[in-house]
Amino acid sequence: AQSVAQPEDQVNVAEGNPLTVKCTYSVSGNPYLFWYVQYPNRGLQFLLKYITGDNLVKGSYGFEAEFNKSQTSFHLKKPSALVSDSALYFCAVGDDKIIFGKGTRLHILP
Amino acid sequence: GAVVSQHPSWVICKSGTSVKIECRSLDFQATTMFWYRQFPKQSLMLMATSNEGSKATYEQGVEKDKFLINHASLTLSTLTVTSAHPEDSSFYICSARASGTYEQYFGPGTRLTVT
Repeated sequence: AQSVAQPEDQVNVAEGNPLTVKCTYSVSGNPYLFWYVQYPNRGLQFLLKYITGDNLVKGSYGFEAEFNKSQTSFHLKKPSALVSDSALYFCAVGDDKIIFGKGTRLHILP
Repeated sequence: GAVVSQHPSWVICKSGTSVKIECRSLDFQATTMFWYRQFPKQSLMLMATSNEGSKATYEQGVEKDKFLINHASLTLSTLTVTSAHPEDSSFYICSARASGTYEQYFGPGTRLTVT
């Protein structure tokens, strides 16, 4: 069975500071990992994915994520946060079916 | 590219009536479409997976006779909520995936309110 955990319900970061949104996963076999962002009353927007290759994955809007096999983590990062990054972020795992984490609400403080 | 639309974006219906939600892939052929349900401040829960031209596969606990899914073409899937009740009120989101790929592209969602 596959699962993904996002340990933080909410993360607060000051604008301009680096941000990290945590995600750990559990899979049997090779993981297919994703990050999505959701703005209020909207669907999900794809940010980035890890299938294979480099552990550091670069995605949309300046986001990146680091795949760490030994720690079974796939944390989302951005060097300098913007107020417009405030949204709900979902980590997900799966190839045929995608399983979503419960989401982390990111607040960027001006 | 990879745009998915949903219609309607919101709908209010009376208890006991049926509501149809459309999901369209606008610029690619979606061999597989997924339907999710999202309650306020919660994650997405997969309801069913549909492959074009075949019957949908429902997740455990989802009533297939209540949530009718049709995937008649490579660009259109529909979800019909039959005999809707207030507890069916939710945000319904579809996603679409092209053959041979892993990314799912999501529609903007449909907010259903049953009164």
